[in-house]
Amino acid sequence: KAGVTQTPRYLIKTRGQQVTLSCSPISGHRSVSWYQQTPGQGLQFLFEYFSETQRNKGNFPGRFSGRQFSNSRSEMNVSTLELGDSALYLCASSLPTGLNTEAFFGQGTRLTVV
Amino acid sequence: AQTVTQSQPEMSVQEAETVTLSCTYDTSESDYYLFWYKQPPSRQMILVIRQEAYKQQNATENRFSVNFQKAAKSFSLKISDSQLGDAAMYFCAYTLGGSEKLVFGKGTKLTVNP
Repeated sequence: KAGVTQTPRYLIKTRGQQVTLSCSPISGHRSVSWYQQTPGQGLQFLFEYFSETQRNKGNFPGRFSGRQFSNSRSEMNVSTLELGDSALYLCASSLPTGLNTEAFFGQGTRLTVV
Repeated sequence: AQTVTQSQPEMSVQEAETVTLSCTYDTSESDYYLFWYKQPPSRQMILVIRQEAYKQQNATENRFSVNFQKAAKSFSLKISDSQLGDAAMYFCAYTLGGSEKLVFGKGTKLTVNP
């Protein structure tokens, strides 16, 4: 069974640009969550999608957005990039059974903003 | 505010010895789940152990066990017979019942000395 796949693995962007990151969940998983990981702030929740609907959103500015497609694949977009957006972005998929079982993580996309 | 505190930024242990990582959390909810995740240098977050808050019995997974003290809101991880492969960042986290949003602590870096 394939794991959570995130693409690209590494990305370098310039301030002011926008970026789109992709996440393919484990087959059958309908919930996809995104996290930002930085040395200073640690792991912070961005948003969660289930059946193409955003169910939960973290405390991030509107420059951060996401969506989920009918095949459960998800993308997140960051517009008008700032230096502080440099981070590891992690995607996690899960079976939302209501029992809060394991979330499976991808290896992340390392975004560097210069 | 819902928070998770890991008071030990770094810990070290000798191979084959036992180490305990501390975690306290703060939530006013009664329905929640607790987790320990491991993040090795490869950056892949891997679930180590999971505990349902409504269960009094402490969870165990092979060499990993927890000490769950609900009244004190404490959730420590004990690693027995430490192995070199246990070296990683360890994150304590929780989710509320019915939510996939993980709230993480800042992590503890575990070094295993041969």
